[in-house]
Amino acid sequence: QQQVKQSPQSLIVQKGGISIINCAYENTAFDYFPWYQQFPGKGPALLIAIRPDVSEKKEGRFTISFNKSAKQFSLHIMDSQPGDSATYFCAASSSGANSKLTFGKGITLSVRP
Amino acid sequence: DAGVIQSPRHEVTEMGQEVTLRCKPISGHNSLFWYRQTMMRGLELLIYFNNNVPIDDSGMPEDRFSAKMPNASFSTLKIQPSEPRDSAVYFCASSPRALAYEQYFGPGTRLTVT
Repeated sequence: QQQVKQSPQSLIVQKGGISIINCAYENTAFDYFPWYQQFPGKGPALLIAIRPDVSEKKEGRFTISFNKSAKQFSLHIMDSQPGDSATYFCAASSSGANSKLTFGKGITLSVRP
Repeated sequence: DAGVIQSPRHEVTEMGQEVTLRCKPISGHNSLFWYRQTMMRGLELLIYFNNNVPIDDSGMPEDRFSAKMPNASFSTLKIQPSEPRDSAVYFCASSPRALAYEQYFGPGTRLTVT
């Protein structure tokens, strides 16, 4: 059972465009939702994260939008650049001792010059 | 800080051989995670430790896989005997105890079993 589902599976965007990646979760106990970015040959790295008490969080060109009732959250990359080309993973976690991250399958973003 | 250190970076071995992957977490981090990444299955959590104690090994695919964390600065993932389907990139990640969801990944070990 996949608890965190990402869409689309891949994405191609022109330079300067907006990249939008969606994520849906099932477990209502989740209360922390990070996005990780992975470049080829590297490990994933934390990009931005949100808690369900806010509907949006922005860091530079990256914004997370959160819809608690729909159990969905999305990553928006404004003014996408070729350097943003990478694999993006959404994840979810619950609080408390011995917590762990549940990752989505990841999507590959290609930003064309 | 040097970040999470993994060794070797690449490993090529023949089916049936024992493989040992090593990880040094970030100093001061209390949680350590082992993941496997493949194109087909994505990023899978194999096992994780808190304060050197294994908490959840339900992701370990079978008895051929074992992991240890003898102290706070070292962990190993062993596959014995290895099989071609074990070929993947294996990542180690660590996190501060109170921020288990903020994980710092190592560069990974690319394992090829022929």
